[in-house]
Amino acid sequence: DAGITQSPRHKVTETGTPVTLRCHQTENHRYMYWYRQDPGHGLRLIHYSYGVKDTDKGEVSDGYSVSRSKTEDFLLTLESATSSQTSVYFCAISESTSGADTQYFGPGTRLTVL
Amino acid sequence: GNSVTQMEGPVTLSEEAFLTINCTYTATGYPSLFWYVQYPGEGLQLLLKATKADDKGSNKGFEATYRKETTSFHLEKGSVQVSDSAVYFCALSPTTVFFGNEKLTFGTGTRLTIIP
Repeated sequence: DAGITQSPRHKVTETGTPVTLRCHQTENHRYMYWYRQDPGHGLRLIHYSYGVKDTDKGEVSDGYSVSRSKTEDFLLTLESATSSQTSVYFCAISESTSGADTQYFGPGTRLTVL
Repeated sequence: GNSVTQMEGPVTLSEEAFLTINCTYTATGYPSLFWYVQYPGEGLQLLLKATKADDKGSNKGFEATYRKETTSFHLEKGSVQVSDSAVYFCALSPTTVFFGNEKLTFGTGTRLTIIP
């Protein structure tokens, strides 16, 4: 198994509060991704990183920010959580830019915003 | 832009039945194609992949052939087991990867349930 952990695994929070989700890898892979999974939408990319301090937006980045200060950690922050951000969040890693490279996924974080 | 369309679920089959889950894609050039599987309570795992036309990916008895002429990558298995119950995602990666497009595009997923 790829060494990817996510924390917390479950979180319930209230609208308007800030939330930070953490993804940690032990593989030293360059690329890290944050996705959200919602019924009827599959996985949608929120943000991704191609190196320390190098990040870019995905297709559903509004309301989210990310930071990567170390190779092994990629943080996803909801500055002010809304009910529409209730979802399951997955982190993924990949070794290089090759289009055929496999992405390895973490176990997910289930976030509920009340 | 790139897109993936896969068979709507849920799909329910009896053990030992033949499985097909359809996947078609829209992309420029020759993308790489993937099937990922998600077991209950877990993240996605790569099931198989194909990187060029007519390639066949295979793993755990599952197969999928990259068909450029029909822009398809259908997943098949000859005899399913209860342990195959999961959600299956078709995905593609761009032909040429450069900064800004190192992304997978996923289908919406197909939930498969196998009954003993």
